[in-house]
Amino acid sequence: DSGVTQTPKHLITATGQRVTLRCSPRSGDLSVYWYQQSLDQGLQFLIQYYNGEERAKGNILERFSAQQFPDLHSELNLSSLELGDSALYFCASSVGEGSTYEQYFGPGTRLTVT
Amino acid sequence: KNQVEQSPQSLIILEGKNCTLQCNYTVSPFSNLRWYKQDTGRGPVSLTIMTFSENTKSNGRYTATLDADTKQSSLHITASQLSDSASYICVVSARAAGNKLTFGGGTRVLVKP
Repeated sequence: DSGVTQTPKHLITATGQRVTLRCSPRSGDLSVYWYQQSLDQGLQFLIQYYNGEERAKGNILERFSAQQFPDLHSELNLSSLELGDSALYFCASSVGEGSTYEQYFGPGTRLTVT
Repeated sequence: KNQVEQSPQSLIILEGKNCTLQCNYTVSPFSNLRWYKQDTGRGPVSLTIMTFSENTKSNGRYTATLDADTKQSSLHITASQLSDSASYICVVSARAAGNKLTFGGGTRVLVKP
């Protein structure tokens, strides 16, 4: 158990809908990262927050947005969902914001868009 | 463009045998390289992390090497066990790149009894 929690574990929704994925980082970690892993594809970095502020952006679509709250938990909002958004979404956390800090991954949320 | 290529895509080995996975990268300027193990449907777990000055690092039966000159890394698994069946992902980060990590596509390892 990495100490990072993600809810829900599974989510099934229809095209055009909007969903929110939630992540709670490890105790003491200030950075949160979001990743997308489509079937048979590698992990794609979406976005990073550090202590409530956006720090880095990857291949995140405009339909997707995220935020980190004062209690450091983070939410990833996915809107106007398409079939291709079906994927595993991972959250990771680290104590610092630099790339040398170890990232601890949560168990993921499996999103299925029908 | 920063890229990380892993080979082979998949391999099957017999329990108790050794194997070596390869990672080539073009990420620049280099900061560090990590190997992760990912069981199916679960989050990746870090095995090793190496910076520019390190050329080998071990974690139990896993040994990673790094050649920063040729931009190559390898992960050697010794005396494989059934629990080693997983995907192994090479991840490289660049300095001053907004902390973006570049992920390889992974090597899927299946250990058979």
